[in-house]
This record gives sequence, structure tokens and C-alpha cells, in this order.
Amino acid sequence: ETGVTQTPRHLVMGMTNKKSLKCEQHLGHNAMYWYKQSAKKPLELMFVYSLEERVENNSVPSRFSPECPNSSHLFLHLHTLQPEDSALYLCASSQGVAGGPNEQFFGPGTRLTVL
Amino acid sequence: DAKTTQPNSMESNEEEPVHLPCNHSTISGTDYIHWYRQLPSQGPEYVIHGLTSNVNNRMASLAIAEDRKSSTLILHRATLRDAAVYYCILSGYGGSQGNLIFGKGTKLSVKP
Repeated sequence: ETGVTQTPRHLVMGMTNKKSLKCEQHLGHNAMYWYKQSAKKPLELMFVYSLEERVENNSVPSRFSPECPNSSHLFLHLHTLQPEDSALYLCASSQGVAGGPNEQFFGPGTRLTVL
Repeated sequence: DAKTTQPNSMESNEEEPVHLPCNHSTISGTDYIHWYRQLPSQGPEYVIHGLTSNVNNRMASLAIAEDRKSSTLILHRATLRDAAVYYCILSGYGGSQGNLIFGKGTKLSVKP
């Protein structure tokens, strides 16, 4: 595997379910990100991790819980979501925390539907 | 955060050059100009970035105005695969200044 991978690619869950999204980067990067892309809205930054430490939480509701056990893996734990949380969830990584010339590499995303 | 302004949509013919404009009149001296694009049903992908000088890579060219208040992404020969939403983003240094703040971008359509 190369680049940034995300699993699952599609997920349908009920409002009472608990599920997790997984992201893995094979690029040797030390910063990882979660973004949300709702229909017809720009991408919104949710969380930023640098060297496995959360450095940014962009006012995201607590029903979204990120975890970064090492520099290659990032999870987004989901519980008691609402239908309006249905969106494309994108993971990205970069060498060094975002800024200046640092390029971010994005995964293909997980299409989440909350019923 | 410094912001950018892009046209909502543009059309191009296949194999013709495309010039995608971006205005960023409030850019600061340390902000880099990034371009990403998002093909249908995919995550965004990096296209090019620059600071002050024009830049070329295998995908595109970036022309930056002398006062840095605007820039233009140039696709030299558009292909059908270039149909995507193109985002012009400013990225500074340090903390949240470095985060990529995506706008609505320009939706490029390429006609055969």
C-alpha cells in the first residue's frame, strides 16, 4: 500500500451505533488530520495531530473522538451520531505540521451515512 | 485567516490551456499559495505551491503577481481527467496559521 488509505470506504450506521474510521499513511509523515466534507459545503478541518499529540480540535462535538496511537495510524471513533453528520470524512498527512510549503496528502475518504 | 476569491466555475475545451484565477488581497508576507484539486468521488490532491516566484511542475504552472495579491494556476493542455474542483489556499506558519482552509473552489469542466 502506498500513500494514505482509509477504511471502510463506505459506512452506514444508526444513531445509537458505535463505529470507528481508520486512516493509515505509508509516507513516513508525522502529522495527520481529519476533515469533514458535507454535501455542497467546503472541507472543514476537524482535528490535527502532530507527533501523535492532538494540536487542534476545531470545535468538534464530543460524539467524534479521535485517536492517534502512532504516527502512521489515525482513528475517528463515532458514537450517537446525528443524520446531519452524514458526510465524506477525509484523512490527510504531512511531513511536519501544516504550514508554509508543507504539502498534505489526502486519502480517498469514508462516505458515512447516519440513519 | 487570509482568504481567497475564486470564480465558482469555468469551462475549457480539451487540449486547450486553462487559466484559473485566484485573488488574495489580504495575503501576508509569509503566506504560501497552494493549489489543490478534487476529482469527483476522491480526496483532494496537491497540485502546486509557491511563495513569490512563478513555479512549474509536471502538473501545472503557478503564476504569482508581483504584489502577490493574485495568482493564476495554468493547465497547459486540459484533458478530460482535469475536470475537478480547484482550490486556491493560503498557508502561513505556526499553529492554526498553517492549516489549510478550503473555500468553495472553482469547478472546472472540460469539453471534448
